[in-house]
Amino acid sequence: DAGVTQSPTHLIKTRGQQVTLRCSPKSGHDTVSWYQQALGQGPQFIFQYYEEEERQRGNFPDRFSGHQFPNYSSELNVNALLLGDSALYLCASSLVSGIEKLFFGSGTQLSVL
Amino acid sequence: DAKTTQPTSMDCAEGRAANLPCNHSTISGNEYVYWYRQIHSQGPQYIIHGLKNNETNEMASLIITEDRKSSTLILPHATLRDTAVYYCIVRVGDNFNKFYFGSGTKLNVKP
Repeated sequence: DAGVTQSPTHLIKTRGQQVTLRCSPKSGHDTVSWYQQALGQGPQFIFQYYEEEERQRGNFPDRFSGHQFPNYSSELNVNALLLGDSALYLCASSLVSGIEKLFFGSGTQLSVL
Repeated sequence: DAKTTQPTSMDCAEGRAANLPCNHSTISGNEYVYWYRQIHSQGPQYIIHGLKNNETNEMASLIITEDRKSSTLILPHATLRDTAVYYCIVRVGDNFNKFYFGSGTKLNVKP
């Protein structure tokens, strides 16, 4: 049973570019959340998708957008990259109902030069 | 906005119990406390969670004070592999919930 998988593992971009990160949830899970983790900090909630819609959003600008597909996989898009967007981006999956725990992927390390 | 406060770092001798405190004084009645740990910038790993009763599983025990304003994670017999950053988290919402991570406690288990 595969857990949460993310791709790519590492990515290098330059300022102003756009990036797309991908996530496949744990088998049986229907909800995907994205987190940004800057160096030395705890993960910060970006947004959460369920039934292909954004359900909750953290304090992130509109440059951060996402999508969820019918198979529950998800993408995180970041436009007009800034140096401060350099971080580990974590995807987590869960079930929307019940008292569920989040299962995290290993993340995508994004470096913006 | 983090809803939890944790010490930045703690040391523990191998084989001894590690007690990691967390303050969540603004927690609401329907908000759960979760603990996760993160090793070498891998994805966080679930440890345990609770609402108001103490909980125990194969990894750890969670002690929540009666007023729910604080909790303690107990690793009964710490090993070197338990060296990690431990996050105390408040889960907000009954559905479509989001997790608030603080800065975590770096636990150093020493031989």
